[in-house]
Amino acid sequence: KAGVTQTPRYLIKTRGQQVTLSCSPISGHRSVSWYQQTPGQGLQFLFEYFSETQRNKGNFPGRFSGRQFSNSRSEMNVSTLELGDSALYLCASREGTANNEQFFGPGTRLTVL
Amino acid sequence: GESVGLHLPTLSVQEGDNSIINCAYSNSASDYFIWYKQESGKGPQFIIDIRSNMDKRQGQRVTVLLNKTVKHLSLQIAATQPGDSAVYFCAENKPPGGKLIFGQGTELSVKP
Repeated sequence: KAGVTQTPRYLIKTRGQQVTLSCSPISGHRSVSWYQQTPGQGLQFLFEYFSETQRNKGNFPGRFSGRQFSNSRSEMNVSTLELGDSALYLCASREGTANNEQFFGPGTRLTVL
Repeated sequence: GESVGLHLPTLSVQEGDNSIINCAYSNSASDYFIWYKQESGKGPQFIIDIRSNMDKRQGQRVTVLLNKTVKHLSLQIAATQPGDSAVYFCAENKPPGGKLIFGQGTELSVKP
């Protein structure tokens, strides 16, 4: 099976712009989670989707949003970008909703100038 | 806030030695724990997991120990190899659902 794929791999934006990141989970996986990774804060949970429904949400402002499509592919959007949004955004997928392995994609490196 | 903390940010070992990476978690309700390995430029890679009803689990060259009394998790790597050099993260699954709370990470450096 192909692994989790994320596009684009690298992205440069300027403050105030918005960005959309895409994640394709492993075939058959219905749960997709998003994480933000920065040197200062480490890996932080953004949100989790299962069957097109947001199941869990982390402590991020409303500028961060996401959605999941019927084929389990997911997108996350960040509006009104700030310098502090520069990070590696990781997507992870798994079969169910709890207590099983999450497989991570390679991430999208977002740089906000 | 919620956190899973690591005692040591860096660990340097000699090739062939055993490595032990420690982790303290904060949420007593967490029911599932995972160790991930992250190499430069890549996403975290699953190493081994353990459920809260167990205290030890072994994989290939790796062992995870869980002590719920003191909320401590450890990863033991036997016969550490240069390819084991990476950042290691512990994570706890906080129910409901699949929210993983990650530790800050420990960088393991293996000297040949």
